[in-house]
Formats: sequence, C-alpha cells, structure tokens
Amino acid sequence: EIVLTQSPGTLSLSPGERATLSCRASQSVSSSFLAWYQQKPGQAPRLLIYGASNRATGIPDRFSGSGSGTDFTLTISRLEPEDFAVYFCQQYGWSPRPFGQGTKVEIK
Amino acid sequence: QVQLQQSGPGLVKPSQTLSLTCAISGDSVSSNSAAWNWIRQSPSRGLEWLGRTYYRSKWYYDYVVSVKSRITINPDTSKNQFSLQLNSVTPEDTAVYYCSRVGCSNGTCLDGMDVWGQGTTVTVSS
Repeated sequence: EIVLTQSPGTLSLSPGERATLSCRASQSVSSSFLAWYQQKPGQAPRLLIYGASNRATGIPDRFSGSGSGTDFTLTISRLEPEDFAVYFCQQYGWSPRPFGQGTKVEIK
Repeated sequence: QVQLQQSGPGLVKPSQTLSLTCAISGDSVSSNSAAWNWIRQSPSRGLEWLGRTYYRSKWYYDYVVSVKSRITINPDTSKNQFSLQLNSVTPEDTAVYYCSRVGCSNGTCLDGMDVWGQGTTVTVSS
C-alpha cells in the first residue's frame, strides 16, 4: 500500500518568498494520478494541481507542480497573503487513493 | 458550474448507521465523465478516501479496504445525488465527511477531485 510523506511539516515564510513543498511516495506513482490540494480552516480542500503538473481551472500560475516516480514537488513562486494554508498531495489512480499528512505554510 | 450540497445528521450513536447525502447540480450522477467520491478528515487519521461510484453502462463501486465491510455508496438518479452509509460506527468514525467529484475521460479519471461538498461534521457519541 502506497504511503505519501510530505515535508516539511511546517514552512514559515514571508509574503513574496518562494515555497517548495515535497511529497514522497513509498513506491512509484504514475504522475498522471498525483494531485495537490490547498485547504484553509473550515473549508474543503481545493484542487490546485492534477497529473503532477497541470494547474486546475482558475489556479494562478504562481503555483506549479513537478516530479515523477516517487518524488513530487509543489512550488509557489511568490507567496501571496491568501496562500498561507495547508497543502496536501494525493495519489488518486487506484485504491486506497491516499493523501499525504499535509504541509502547513505559515506566515513568518 | 458544478456544485455539491451535503446533508445529514451531525450526531450518530455508537453501533448505529451514519447516513449522508450529496446532491449534485450542474452535472449528472450518471455522467460517463465523472466519478463520485466520499472522503473524511479527522485529526488522528488525516484525509482518508472512503470510496466512489461511477456509471459506465452500469454502476461500479470501489471502497477502501479499511471500511469495506461497513460502507455502501448509492447513486440516486431520480434525485441526482449519491449517498454514504457507514454501519456499526464507533467514536473512531468521528470526522468531517466530504463528497467530491473526479473528472474522467475515455474511461480514465485523470482530473483530480475538482469539486467538493461543504463538509459535514459527524460526531459518534452516545
């Protein structure tokens, strides 16, 4: 069973800085089925990236995804105030469709 | 614009059945271009995908092994919605429950969970 491990657990950055979030899989994952979500308190997750590198509809181009095999990255090129949130990766190609435990991006 | 509206009780007694409904607008539960999911989130378990249903000339169902003996996801074409039933609940089933859609094309669901319900907090307690 695939396990997704995200790092770091918390990222403390200032607005305007670059954020680099990691998602590592315990076994190889098809990049076609790797997604990133953003979640703010009291809200449902929001799809940012699907297929490892495709931005979802309406997602700003400061968000980008990359990676293959077991290592995937979400990059936020310049943090805006509304980007401070928790980010999750997910493998959604086959059961159990696990999520990572999340990375919190907080204001430094 | 696709929207999902969840409904159902927020408190369930131990050993009873948790029942939630997800009403779809802007799409069809019978669409060949979507799969309909239930996910839950708790501090102890994080985000956990529970299962899905989808229609491709017939109905298909796919459940996570950890709840497979207790879960049923049912589509309701007359009301354009789908439901979650989780039997024999315990306090460990306390969580926020979400429904979601995954976009599919040519039989493959590549698009990620692009639409989510608002979430329902369910507490299992006597």
